[in-house]
Amino acid sequence: QQPVQSPQAVILREGEDAVINCSSSKALYSVHWYRQKHGEAPVFLMILLKGGEQKGHEKISASFNEKKQQSSLYLTASQLSYSGTYFCGTEKIHNTDKLIFGTGTRLQVFP
Amino acid sequence: DGGITQSPKYLFRKEGQNVTLSCEQNLNHDAMYWYRQDPGQGLRLIYYSQIVNDFQKGDIAEGYSVSREKKESFPLTVTSAQKNPTAFYLCASTDIQRSNQPQHFGDGTRLSIL
Repeated sequence: QQPVQSPQAVILREGEDAVINCSSSKALYSVHWYRQKHGEAPVFLMILLKGGEQKGHEKISASFNEKKQQSSLYLTASQLSYSGTYFCGTEKIHNTDKLIFGTGTRLQVFP
Repeated sequence: DGGITQSPKYLFRKEGQNVTLSCEQNLNHDAMYWYRQDPGQGLRLIYYSQIVNDFQKGDIAEGYSVSREKKESFPLTVTSAQKNPTAFYLCASTDIQRSNQPQHFGDGTRLSIL
């Protein structure tokens, strides 16, 4: 039931782009994206709802493909501050208020 | 400033000892959660509570206990029955009165065995 994230790790130079995927074998209602710096609390990025909407916020955006039960997080023109581990949290049924998190994708951005 | 406060930041447990991790929030959120994070792993749900005096087991509740006597507080006890307690523990809360709200996390407690 745990969503599968790919890739497991990404190494980038500043200014490069990356895509992180989160796939589920079950039908999803929503996907939440978080970024966690080492030893710190995860920080909320955005929520994608069933319906395939795309959301964006500066140079980080995401989409939700309902057919594939997959969400993708797009990081454009990466900055050093983007380094961290990205987690998706999935919700199968509306308003269960319970998320199942993927194992994370570790992103490192170098100058 | 509203937020979630976890304490202590670091905790050491001796064999056979129970320890309690504190989680307090002033966000007026009904739902609170405890997660365990092991190195290189995602977050696994231990317990969650959506209302005072009620809570449900998550995926890995064995060896843990919780209470929810006040809306603001959701302490987690790691009992001696939890044989491998070394991990990073995160508390979170969310506003379930509104749809599609994010979870807000505390800064975590790192628990180690002495």
